[in-house]
Amino acid sequence: GAVVSQHPSWVICKSGTSVKIECRSLDFQATTMFWYRQFPKQSLMLMATSNEGSKATYEQGVEKDKFLINHASLTLSTLTVTSAHPEDSSFYICSAFHGGNYYNEQFFGPGTRLTVL
Amino acid sequence: KQEVTQIPAALSVPEGENLVLNCSFTDSAIYNLQWFRQDPGKGLTSLLLIQSSQREQTSGRLNASLDKSSGRSTLYIAASQPGDSATYLCAVFKGGSEKLVFGKGTKLTVNP
Repeated sequence: GAVVSQHPSWVICKSGTSVKIECRSLDFQATTMFWYRQFPKQSLMLMATSNEGSKATYEQGVEKDKFLINHASLTLSTLTVTSAHPEDSSFYICSAFHGGNYYNEQFFGPGTRLTVL
Repeated sequence: KQEVTQIPAALSVPEGENLVLNCSFTDSAIYNLQWFRQDPGKGLTSLLLIQSSQREQTSGRLNASLDKSSGRSTLYIAASQPGDSATYLCAVFKGGSEKLVFGKGTKLTVNP
């Protein structure tokens, strides 16, 4: 199946700093990627849809100035958490949308654990 | 608005038992339905994807069925093993620019 990677797998940062998380589709091109966050013992919450070459579409209640998304190529999307605060600590997961032979299936990355001190 | 419900929220079974996880959705106009597995602190692993025109999909000990008209899907796990312990999520996709809508998951524990 298709593979999606995330980097880093975990990160600890100080409050007020910015953190960038990368999401890559390794063996396919993804015009659309998605960013989710997941709190402990809860399901995934979609934050935004990232489209290659255009602005991301944010879900209601997600601050686009705080969570910057860049989808610069067909295999890479980045999520930057700006001026991070402890309440931003969470598990962030990306997914890539694969059309073609995979029947519009989404493949998920392994996630990034962010801890803000 | 599409809503996805998974029952039960948690399930504990002895090793070797066959089990069924349930997923229901309110809007039957879906393009496909996916079942995922999530281990603690990990991302999602896609298990099975069923197109709206299909009735079931099988992979090894897993069998997923879809009854679109009634808004239901089941994931059947045969001869469960401790390694099957994880949270199982189902998600439906309406197609086009729509997003995946997830259920809250069923946490499965298979006891040796």
